[in-house]
Amino acid sequence: DAKTTQPNSMESNEEEPVHLPCNHSTISGTDYIHWYRQLPSQGPEYVIHGLTSNVNNRMASLAIAEDRKSSTLILHRATLRDAAVYYCILDAGNMLTFGGGTRLMVKP
Amino acid sequence: KAGVTQTPRYLIKTRGQQVTLSCSPISGHRSVSWYQQTPGQGLQFLFEYFSETQRNKGNFPGRFSGRQFSNSRSEMNVSTLELGDSALYLCASSLEGQVYNNEQFFGPGTRLTVL
Repeated sequence: DAKTTQPNSMESNEEEPVHLPCNHSTISGTDYIHWYRQLPSQGPEYVIHGLTSNVNNRMASLAIAEDRKSSTLILHRATLRDAAVYYCILDAGNMLTFGGGTRLMVKP
Repeated sequence: KAGVTQTPRYLIKTRGQQVTLSCSPISGHRSVSWYQQTPGQGLQFLFEYFSETQRNKGNFPGRFSGRQFSNSRSEMNVSTLELGDSALYLCASSLEGQVYNNEQFFGPGTRLTVL
């Protein structure tokens, strides 16, 4: 199974952009890149997903490297409510395989 | 539209007992997946059901089983509980069985404690 590598934790200031990196050097051509986040005491929540092109939605943007070996989740203006564990996941169509994720801390 | 609901939210059992957890997916969703979350192992996939059939299974022992009913509601069962089964059990639903291009909606989880 293709694996992802993320930093254990990151810190950001409120109202500033946050770039959360993810490496997935063994990604296959059919793997979608998903991002989920888990707020304290809640189940994971979908953030965004993509295959090859960069993607934008109301929550975030996903920038995918041209060789697809890495991607970056971009939160344009971090708020205190964005403090969570962010998971970068590769999915080949059957199930989500979660790694350790990045714990994002947002300072006021 | 109501979200994914899981019952019970909290459960305490003793070793050797069995337990059944329930998950009601979002209306219209036909796929239900189960995950186990522990501090040591993180989030691990248990199995996925689609249209009453188990389509995918993670690397868990046979003590963990599940089923899905015609209304898409799902149950998971753990027999002969062990201390290591203490975890947050999460259920997720999606429209289609293949999640590669679908959003999964997670419930709040059932916190199981085995004493």
